[in-house]
Formats: sequence, C-alpha cells, structure tokens
Amino acid sequence: DAGVTQSPTHLIKTRGQQVTLRCSPKSGHDTVSWYQQALGQGPQFIFQYYEEEERQRGNFPDRFSGHQFPNYSSELNVNALLLGDSALYLCASSLTGQVITYEQYFGPGTRLTVT
Amino acid sequence: AQKVTQAQTEISVVEKEDVTLDCVYETRDTTYYLFWYKQPPSGELVFLIRRNSFDEQNEISGRYSWNFQKSTSSFNFTITASQVVDSAVYFCALSGKSGGGADGLTFGKGTHLIIQP
Repeated sequence: DAGVTQSPTHLIKTRGQQVTLRCSPKSGHDTVSWYQQALGQGPQFIFQYYEEEERQRGNFPDRFSGHQFPNYSSELNVNALLLGDSALYLCASSLTGQVITYEQYFGPGTRLTVT
Repeated sequence: AQKVTQAQTEISVVEKEDVTLDCVYETRDTTYYLFWYKQPPSGELVFLIRRNSFDEQNEISGRYSWNFQKSTSSFNFTITASQVVDSAVYFCALSGKSGGGADGLTFGKGTHLIIQP
C-alpha cells in the first residue's frame, strides 16, 4: 500500500524565484492538503484540493497556488519567494466522496531553503 | 476561528515514567474532530488517533491513552511506562467539517518529549 510521496526532498532557491513542489496521495485517497511547517512550529494549513479544485484555503497570500491532476496528485507553486518561505512543506492525503476519512496521512515533506 | 494550545513546550522524563501531554482547543463548530500526531526526528507526521466531538469515550491503545473532556475543551494524551523510542514532537490538531469533507487541520505548536534512558 503506497503511502504519500513528495518530491523533491530538499530544495534551495533564491529570493524572488518560483518553486514547484509535488505530491502523490496515498493509494485510494482523492483529497490533498498542503501545510507549511516553520522550524519549531506546528504545521499551518495552506489549502486543500478535491476534484481538481481548491476547496478550502488557509491564511496564505496568492503567491501560494496549487493544482490537482486527474490522478489526484498535486502541485504546490510558490512565486516571488521570500526568506520567510523557508520551511518544511508537508502534503497530506485523505478521502472524500462516498466515505470520508477525517484523518490525514502525511508525506515526508520537502525542505525548502530560500537564500 | 479555531485554536489549539499545547502549553508544554518541552517535557523530559526518565524511561518507564508515565507522562501526560496537554491539549486545549477552541472552536465554534458543533461537529469537530481532534487528532494527535507524532513527529520523530525524521520529520514525517505519524497519525496516532482521531476523536469525534460527539464521542467522549476515552481510548486506550497499548501504552497510549487519550482523555477527551468536552466540558474543559481538552484532549490530553498519556504515555504509560515511557520508552526512549517515544521521544518525538507530539502535535494536537483540530478540524471542522464543512460540506462534503474534512477541513484543513489546525495544529498546536507541539510538545517536544524527551525520554532519557
């Protein structure tokens, strides 16, 4: 049973650049959520995708955008990177539809460093 | 707005001691879900338990137990006979239910648990 996978593992970018992070949900799951975890803090909810649409969004600026593909995988895009965007980005998957699973299963994360 | 407070930033105990991690939450939702996650040094969040707002039964799973008290908005986590492998950061989280699925999670800041041999 494949768990949540994320790529890349680590990434170093320069201020002002753009970055794309990728996530494949757990087998059978159709909903993907993205979180940002700064060092020493709890994860913060960015947004959630279901049926290829953004269903819910946290308190993040429009520089953060996403996409979900027909195979349920997802991308997180961040434009005009700031030093404060340096964090661990976590993807989580769950199931909506006929059976809803309220627990979310997390991937290993992508460590983004902005210099 | 939802809020989760984990007042204990760091707890250090000696192996085999019992330890309780506190979690207090705030929400205006009548239906909500509470969670505990474990984050070992590798960084991956591991799901431990989910509790529904309408189910106040306490739960025990091996050395782990959870005490949900709606009256005090608390969802505390106890590890009995702690082991070194329990060392990790533990997060309490909360979500509502809007429409057809689970909402994004609101996390506390976490409690760093250190079990000394």
